[in-house]
Amino acid sequence: DAGITQSPRHKVTETGTPVTLRCHQTENHRYMYWYRQDPGHGLRLIHYSYGVKDTDKGEVSDGYSVSRSKTEDFLLTLESATSSQTSVYFCAISDIGGLETQYFGPGTRLLVL
Amino acid sequence: SQQGEEDPQALSIQEGENATMNCSYKTSINNLQWYRQNSGRGLVHLILIRSNEREKHSGRLRVTLDTSKKSSSLLITASRAADTASYFCATDAGANNLFFGTGTRLTVIP
Repeated sequence: DAGITQSPRHKVTETGTPVTLRCHQTENHRYMYWYRQDPGHGLRLIHYSYGVKDTDKGEVSDGYSVSRSKTEDFLLTLESATSSQTSVYFCAISDIGGLETQYFGPGTRLLVL
Repeated sequence: SQQGEEDPQALSIQEGENATMNCSYKTSINNLQWYRQNSGRGLVHLILIRSNEREKHSGRLRVTLDTSKKSSSLLITASRAADTASYFCATDAGANNLFFGTGTRLTVIP
């Protein structure tokens, strides 16, 4: 998985609780992305980062925030988890930019009860 | 939605046969990519084809792009059981990020 780790790999939480997912890369790539994957929807972009402290919203950003204080780490926070945020979350990285090849992490399965 | 649409949604073939899956998209693109996802794993990049290219090969993979029809096809020749996976196309749709389709689920029967 190209030097990308995600933690935790599985999480069960309750509605209303905050949740933070971590993506860590060892490739020194500039761009990092958070996607969610749901049946019937494919992958949808939540947020992305184009450098340290530089982030922007994706297609489905409501209810999510991100932070990137170091090149290697990109955090995704669900401020108050809802059942609709039950999903598989993937982190991806790219050295050139969003139009070029992206390398994906192994994913985090999140269940919000 | 700006995402590509793969067709068929599911495909089942015998080992050794060729598998063809298609992707249609809605707006002009700079490039189109194909990814594979094995069950429970992250996506793996297979091939990228730029808007000024019509065909590209990588091992047993052949990708074509027809920008006039806004469509692409992925051909896997001499399929193997290990090719069993979901295959996704991704386009930029003129934006700075990728938009993924919902995928074709390929099953190769040994």
